[in-house]
Amino acid sequence: ILNVEQSPQSLHVQEGDSTNFTCSFPSSNFYALHWYRWETAKSPEALFVMTLNGDEKKKGRISATLNTKEGYSYLYIKGSQPEDSATYLCAFIEAQFYFGTGTSLTVIP
Amino acid sequence: EAGVAQSPRYKIIEKRQSVAFWCNPISGHATLYWYQQILGQGPKLLIQFQNNGVVDDSQLPKDRFSAERLKGVDSTLKIQPAKLEDSAVYLCASSLQSRVPGDYGYTFGSGTRLTVV
Repeated sequence: ILNVEQSPQSLHVQEGDSTNFTCSFPSSNFYALHWYRWETAKSPEALFVMTLNGDEKKKGRISATLNTKEGYSYLYIKGSQPEDSATYLCAFIEAQFYFGTGTSLTVIP
Repeated sequence: EAGVAQSPRYKIIEKRQSVAFWCNPISGHATLYWYQQILGQGPKLLIQFQNNGVVDDSQLPKDRFSAERLKGVDSTLKIQPAKLEDSAVYLCASSLQSRVPGDYGYTFGSGTRLTVV
């Protein structure tokens, strides 16, 4: 079983602040990394599929970068809003999905 | 496109009772997954089906958990008898590909939250 780590475990920020979290994964045998946004009582929603070293993806105020050689990905949220409050999960893809434990973000109005 | 449907949304049972969860994947998705997400941990794969065949059930506690996917569409996951440590969210997901679904999308249901008391 592969070890995928996310940090921090939880985060509280003020509305308007920018924030970022980290996903660390094994740097060998990389295939793909997914980021998901999971609100309570809803389905996890796919944010990004990242496959190439140096990938940078953006969706609105959310962006992500990927470094496969050192085994990490960053997720950035610019100008956090209360509706960004959710758990952000990364998943390292090898023969199956290996999920991190998630970062729980709370944006305080 | 309809999403992955799961029911029930919530279930509370006493330990040693039995429980079953149901999943209806996106039409045309051959691959179906069941995940268990215990509070504070990431989702853990329990079982993966390709059509109605099992691809991976290495992390399924087979002494109490069972799953089936009749006719390669809907799936049920059963726990019998339940233990306190089975309290978790059970997520179903489906995808188009049979191998690693890197770029082809992977859609989750909203999960069933099980509480065993």
